[in-house]
Amino acid sequence: DVKVTQSSRYLVKRTGEKVFLECVQDMDHENMFWYRQDPGLGLRLIYFSYDVKMKEKGDIPEGYSVSREKKERFSLILESASTNQTSMYLCASSRLVKNTGELFFGEGSRLTVL
Amino acid sequence: AQKVTQAQTEISVVEKEDVTLDCVYETRDTTYYLFWYKQPPSGELVFLIRRNSFDEQNEISGRYSWNFQKSTSSFNFTITASQVVDSAVYFCALSERNNDMRFGAGTRLTVKP
Repeated sequence: DVKVTQSSRYLVKRTGEKVFLECVQDMDHENMFWYRQDPGLGLRLIYFSYDVKMKEKGDIPEGYSVSREKKERFSLILESASTNQTSMYLCASSRLVKNTGELFFGEGSRLTVL
Repeated sequence: AQKVTQAQTEISVVEKEDVTLDCVYETRDTTYYLFWYKQPPSGELVFLIRRNSFDEQNEISGRYSWNFQKSTSSFNFTITASQVVDSAVYFCALSERNNDMRFGAGTRLTVKP
């Protein structure tokens, strides 16, 4: 069974803290993505990566960075968390070039910034 | 820029009713892909269907069916004889060849027993 695993389901952090969200996939996919999901806004793309050590900005990259040192792992970093980054974060991977194929999602990480 | 609109924010039906979830998209590309995903209360989005722009044939999978109409830029999803387990948030999404996947805002479907 294909699997995308996100390290934490629920996190509570304080304003200004550095936050790491980890994502691992076991499908040998080249493509990995980070989205955030907010009510009424659907899913918005933060960053994505089509290869190891490669990253590209999505629609809302401000306040975030990413790291992809290994093919199976894609990390999202909030350098200094703010309350407006309270959200559900979803990691996904795909096999086909860019986004032409289906995405496989993790269960999500719900982050609350106080 | 590509765009996906799901005008229905929430829909509530009684079990065994049929329900249609609307999806309207905008794109300038002639080659694109449309998707539907289901997000149950557990949170993990699950892929339901992928359709490319050259294939307008409607699809049926059990109680699920999809109606793709390029003339109206719509890709609607119908659940026949709905069940409580169909309660979820459903997302329509669009990707173009050189652009990343864009999602609609989602439609929350509640099926009451």
